Amino acid sequence: EAGVAQSPRYKIIEKRQSVAFWCNPISGHATLYWYQQILGQGPKLLIQFQNNGVVDDSQLPKDRFSAERLKGVDSTLKIQPAKLEDSAVYLCASSPYRVGRLSNQPQHFGDGTRLSIL
Amino acid sequence: GENVEQHPSTLSVQEGDSAVIKCTYSDSASNYFPWYKQELGKRPQLIIDIRSNVGEKKDQRIAVTLNKTAKHFSLHITETQPEDSAVYFCAASRLYNFNKFYFGSGTKLNVKP
Repeated sequence: EAGVAQSPRYKIIEKRQSVAFWCNPISGHATLYWYQQILGQGPKLLIQFQNNGVVDDSQLPKDRFSAERLKGVDSTLKIQPAKLEDSAVYLCASSPYRVGRLSNQPQHFGDGTRLSIL
Repeated sequence: GENVEQHPSTLSVQEGDSAVIKCTYSDSASNYFPWYKQELGKRPQLIIDIRSNVGEKKDQRIAVTLNKTAKHFSLHITETQPEDSAVYFCAASRLYNFNKFYFGSGTKLNVKP
């Protein structure tokens, strides 16, 4: 099966500019995640969708970050305006939806977008 | 919410030796524990996972053990090879929580040839 696709792979912008990332999950995966991974740290969940609804966005800096998943498939994550501390790798992941005792399913990650803020 | 702690942050072993990475979790309801390997500049890849109804799972040179009472789980790599060098992340999730995961901070494993 095709993996999680992300673009772009790299992005360099100046602070206060805006940037957008795109993610296409594995076909049929209902759950989609955006993570921020700062160098030397584990992935930090920014937002989680189930189909086109938001499950958790408690750690999304909503004054500057926004995300959408129209039609429950592709998703975009936007930062506007960017700050120096936003320099990180932005990972998208997806997982299938199961019910009952198999509702925990492994995530599949994309290659990420490495964002550098100058 | 859940808190996952991972130790050590760095681990250096000689090729052929074993490596052990440990994680503890706080939420007794957590019942699924995957491990991911992330090579430099690449995506995290699932290498092994365990559910709370078993205490150990093996896949060739890799094994994971789970102690529900103590709330910790460990990754064991035997006969390490240079290509095992990477950052390893543990994670935890629980049922009926929309498949939300909590990650450890990662262990950088260096296998010296």
